[in-house]
This record gives sequence, C-alpha cells and structure tokens, in this order.
Amino acid sequence: ETGVTQSPTHLIKTRGQQVTLRCSSQSGHNTVSWYQQALGQGPQFIFQYYREEENGRGNFPPRFSGLQFPNYSSELNVNALELDDSALYLCASSLRQGGKNIQYFGAGTRLSVL
Amino acid sequence: AQTVTQSQPEMSVQEAETVTLSCTYDTSESNYYLFWYKQPPSRQMILVIRQEAYKQQNATENRFSVNFQKAAKSFSLKISDSQLGDTAMYFCAFMKHDSNYQLIWGAGTKLIIKP
Repeated sequence: ETGVTQSPTHLIKTRGQQVTLRCSSQSGHNTVSWYQQALGQGPQFIFQYYREEENGRGNFPPRFSGLQFPNYSSELNVNALELDDSALYLCASSLRQGGKNIQYFGAGTRLSVL
Repeated sequence: AQTVTQSQPEMSVQEAETVTLSCTYDTSESNYYLFWYKQPPSRQMILVIRQEAYKQQNATENRFSVNFQKAAKSFSLKISDSQLGDTAMYFCAFMKHDSNYQLIWGAGTKLIIKP
C-alpha cells in the first residue's frame, strides 16, 4: 500500500462532457503529479503541483487543469472530453526534500469516453 | 528531450528462473535518476528499484538488481528466483535531477512467470 488513494476507480463519460478526478496524497507529501496512461503504453506526464502551485506541465492542452489543496489532496479536471482522453489516469505523491524523489502511485481512475 | 526505450514487449519464464529486462535511454544530462516500476493487474504502480546516476554501484533490492551502464545509457533489471507474484508489466523510467521531477517512461515489458 502506498497511502495514495484515487477516486472514482472507474468513470464513463460522453464526448464534450467535463470530468473531475480526485487524489489523496500520502501523509506529509507536498507534491503531486498526474499521468495519463493509454492502453498498452507507458504513462505520459500531464502536470505537477508543488505547494498548491503548478510546477511543470507536459504536452497536454489547457483543457486539462488541476488543483492542489492546502491538505495536499488534488484534482484533475478535463473539459470538452474527446474520445482519445480514454485512459487510466494516475496520480503520484512525493515529498520534495533532500533528494529521494520517489513518487508513490495510486491505483488510478479508468476513464472511458464514449 | 529524454527518451526511454524498452525493446521487449513481452517475456515469459518458468518460476524460479532468472530473467533480465532491458531498458535504454537517451539524455544529455549528467545527473539523473532511473527507476523500475511494476504494474500488476491491480493497476497500482509499485516502485521496484531506484538508481542514482552519480553512483557507480548497481542498486539491489532483495531478488531485484540492476545493471547500470552509464556510458552505454543502459539500465537493465534482473529478477532472480522469479515468483508467480512477479507477473506484471514492468516500466523503466527516467527523472532529471533538479527538474520538476517528472518521470519519463518506457512503453513497458509484460512479464509472465509460468508455474
């Protein structure tokens, strides 16, 4: 167990809708990263939040947005859903301190866009 | 830009055998980290082993060890005495030092341990 929880586990949406995915970080972790994992592929970095500020972004359009709250839980929001957004969305928490840089993952949210 | 390549889409071995998974990467950085993560059917990524590029000594965690060849940009994972519970997708990942700590991933290798 990594102490990182994601909700919901599965979600079905239709094209054009909006979705919010949630992540609860491991206690004491101040950094959260979100990844998109398409079927049969490795994860792709979406963005990272450090102390409630976006701290890096991958090659994803602005309709992918996020939030990190004072308790370090996090949300990933996707607007105007497209069929290609169907994927497993992973969140990972870490403690930015010293140099261990180890990210601990949740079990992901499986999003299907119809 | 950094890239990570895993050239073996799928491997299978008998229980108790030793298996080696390959990973190569491309970077111009001198200071970075390399990781192997395991993703079982439960979907949760689990850290298997971590290597710091400035350390010449290969990392070891129980039955798992790596062969880190910095000049060749190679980072293979050896699993000794394989067990049925080792069946999973294995991903190699790269992280720059002093970046926003994003992981760059390979496409994964599906490892099947047969009884």
